[in-house]
Amino acid sequence: SAVISQKPSRDICQRGTSLTIQCQVDSQVTMMFWYRQQPGQSLTLIATANQGSEATYESGFVIDKFPISRPNLTFSTLTVSNMSPEDSSIYLCSVEDPGYEQYFGPGTRLTVT
Amino acid sequence: ILNVEQSPQSLHVQEGDSTNFTCSFPSSNFYALHWYRWETAKSPEALFVMTLNGDEKKKGRISATLNTKEGYSYLYIKGSQPEDSATYLCAPNSGGSNYKLTFGKGTLLTVNP
Repeated sequence: SAVISQKPSRDICQRGTSLTIQCQVDSQVTMMFWYRQQPGQSLTLIATANQGSEATYESGFVIDKFPISRPNLTFSTLTVSNMSPEDSSIYLCSVEDPGYEQYFGPGTRLTVT
Repeated sequence: ILNVEQSPQSLHVQEGDSTNFTCSFPSSNFYALHWYRWETAKSPEALFVMTLNGDEKKKGRISATLNTKEGYSYLYIKGSQPEDSATYLCAPNSGGSNYKLTFGKGTLLTVNP
């Protein structure tokens, strides 16, 4: 199974600022995913990030708010832009292995004040 | 958007008790069902991936069954231990996709010593 790390593990940010979350995988993977869990809600897919192409966003999520980079097969970033308190969530990245399992990072706990 | 329901929402049991939770999901366009265990401040841990109707999988004291025709899965924990305390999430693949997961809100299990 892949080992995934995320930075930062948590942060408290001011309204209107942006935060970039990093996701590092210990092996090369084709597909990386970004999820969000708002308080009391389900873990929800934000977008799928493939190396060398634009990220594919799910309904309700847009590139201007959540720009994603995928410069190589082991790394991705998610930026939460112009933050508001509603963006307070746990953000997780994940990768898929050929056996259809997805492995998750430990998450970034974001509080927007 | 898939409607994934998990019950109960939370559960308190005593050490040594056996317990089970339910995940219900739309039976149409089924591809696979994933179970995860998520402890606070850790990565969600993949428990099972189940694909066939009637599948039963087991890992130690934890087992799961799958009924794709009626759209439900049960997760069983035999002889619960305090270290089993976590949120248990189920996620079917969305819309026939082999990688998009739609998560339920989870069952929060607390095992009292």
